[in-house]
Amino acid sequence: DGGITQSPKYLFRKEGQNVTLSCEQNLNHDAMYWYRQDPGQGLRLIYYSQIVNDFQKGDIAEGYSVSREKKESFPLTVTSAQKNPTAFYLCASSTDRGRGWRQPQHFGDGTRLSIL
Amino acid sequence: AQTVTQSQPEMSVQEAETVTLSCTYDTSESDYYLFWYKQPPSRQMILVIRQEAYKQQNATENRFSVNFQKAAKSFSLKISDSQLGDAAMYFCAYRTGTASKLTFGTGTRLQVTL
Repeated sequence: DGGITQSPKYLFRKEGQNVTLSCEQNLNHDAMYWYRQDPGQGLRLIYYSQIVNDFQKGDIAEGYSVSREKKESFPLTVTSAQKNPTAFYLCASSTDRGRGWRQPQHFGDGTRLSIL
Repeated sequence: AQTVTQSQPEMSVQEAETVTLSCTYDTSESDYYLFWYKQPPSRQMILVIRQEAYKQQNATENRFSVNFQKAAKSFSLKISDSQLGDAAMYFCAYRTGTASKLTFGTGTRLQVTL
């Protein structure tokens, strides 16, 4: 079955450490997204990519970095510059070409990141 | 700024009853899509229903329906014959043709009681 796979499910970060969250999709979607979810808040966009080798900052990109070397993969690195990384991270994908923006985004199961 | 407001942090409904979750949004765009997502305790985001801004007819999906009032920028979700499995966080969101992201509200936690 097609879908989005996020790993790991739980991740712990030490002070000063960079960690990378994986997101892989086999839906043949062009666009991929990373959202952060904090308690009492909705999802906020960190980064998104509409084509391979290109990506744009979202609303809260500081302290994060991404790459898009393959259509299927969009890993997110939480750097040591992100001082409050504890949150639930969701990856999504969608077809964005032409009128594709009207299609819903499909989400992975998420990664919970905590500080040690 | 483009925003989505869900004014009910928590709602409760008895099994088999009907409940309405409210949502208002603010956008200057004329072409956009509205969505309701459900997030159960498993934290997976599940699409419940969607509505195109150009369509006047309200969308329905089985027990789920919306009341879309474009002029008032209101997009409420009605759940009929509520079931225990409907207990979850519900997020209202919209997306426009000029912005790739989904803009989300802060969510409404729905509790379903026996």
